[in-house]
Amino acid sequence: QVQLVQSGADVKKPGASVKVSCKASGYTFTSYAMHWVRQAPGHSLDWMGWINPGNGNTKYSQSFQGRVTITRDTSSSTAYLELSSLTPADTAVYYCAKSKGLGSKSLDHWGQGTLVTVSS
Amino acid sequence: QSVLTQPPSVSAAPGQKVTISCSGSSSNIEETFVSWYQQFPGAAPKLLIYEDNVRPSGIPDRFSGSKSGTSATLDITGLQTGDEADYYCGTWDSSLSAGVFGGGTKLTVL
Repeated sequence: QVQLVQSGADVKKPGASVKVSCKASGYTFTSYAMHWVRQAPGHSLDWMGWINPGNGNTKYSQSFQGRVTITRDTSSSTAYLELSSLTPADTAVYYCAKSKGLGSKSLDHWGQGTLVTVSS
Repeated sequence: QSVLTQPPSVSAAPGQKVTISCSGSSSNIEETFVSWYQQFPGAAPKLLIYEDNVRPSGIPDRFSGSKSGTSATLDITGLQTGDEADYYCGTWDSSLSAGVFGGGTKLTVL
């Protein structure tokens, strides 16, 4: 069965960077896009970007442009989200989510989420 | 402010039907498939509907989706207390070239 297992919770100081991992199993990693979505406490879902694990192509939300980098390691079927220049407003749960198809924007499997807390 | 507009909350009695709306524009809902997600407190979202009206395997037919123009709708019939959750619509916006979600709707089953 499809599983997306994310790295554990993290606490960062303002100005720092955070890198969250998402290890995929149960399907062909390179055949489906991987998206990253975050959710601040009490708020809605916020799309951050996606990667085509097959060729490494990425697309980022303008809201995070310049601060976000999504990468992948096909040898370990793992996707990564790195967010830099953190502020307290970046405190949120970060999710990776697999697309239903390479060109599909429906997200049919989600990781368990990673809480990132930004505090001095 | 979310790109897609949903009512903050809806409520209905067990066994009844509830409708959750999702309003967008010509650059998102009108030209791209809509998905719906269910989220329980402390849990990750779960895909409920994709391609406007298709249920993934395992989703009861009590849940149905539809779309007309720049709006989409999620209907839930035969409400159960276990349906109490937050519901989000999502799609792609061609103007923003980004994924977009609604603000979420909290369903209360009275």
